[in-house]
Amino acid sequence: QLHLQESGPGLVKPSGTLSLTCTVSGGSTGSSSYYWGWVRQTPGKGLEWIGDIYYRGTTYYSPSLRSRVAISVDTSKNQFSLTLSSVTTADTSIYYCVRRSVNGRRGGWFDPWGQGTLVTVSS
Amino acid sequence: EVIMTQSPAALSVSPGERATLSCRATYSVSMNLAWYQQKPGQAPRLLIYGASARATGIPARFSGSGSGTEFTLTISSLQSDDFAIYYCQQYHNWPFTFGPGTKVDIK
Repeated sequence: QLHLQESGPGLVKPSGTLSLTCTVSGGSTGSSSYYWGWVRQTPGKGLEWIGDIYYRGTTYYSPSLRSRVAISVDTSKNQFSLTLSSVTTADTSIYYCVRRSVNGRRGGWFDPWGQGTLVTVSS
Repeated sequence: EVIMTQSPAALSVSPGERATLSCRATYSVSMNLAWYQQKPGQAPRLLIYGASARATGIPARFSGSGSGTEFTLTISSLQSDDFAIYYCQQYHNWPFTFGPGTKVDIK
């Protein structure tokens, strides 16, 4: 059974860079059938898709975050990572790593989700 | 961006009763819609994709319907394990967007 696990600092200073890694077990980030990505959740804004990556390196990002976000994949380690630069308190969220199914020319659903990790932006 | 709305925001239901949750999109998303369940302290869990297909392991009491801009999630006979928040999500257009959720609690 596929399992995703987020890791990374729980506290980031304003104007700093948020970096998280997702380790995949029970499946391969080298699969051609899926994308690997990130979704965040805050009480105020709800669930927000951040972006995702295909094993070949093709990325898709939310327009609202595109200027600050980068997602990479390391198929040799079966991991993928998120960096979000110039963070503010508005970036304080629970960050989930997710697998997105390929669905033709459209996007796809997210399944499964990691357990989530709270990242707080504060000095 | 496709804006997703859900109604009602909260729903009180007795165990064994039917619950009907609605989701609406500002533009047609065809059948490219998913439903998720989230319990306190847990990540969302996929219930339905393609508007009506149940995900692996999801009980038959969960059913989805609709297309275009109007969608419904029905829980035919609520069990104690079903009290949670339910979110819809469109994946027809980028960026993928979620509804604000419907909280189903015990009446």
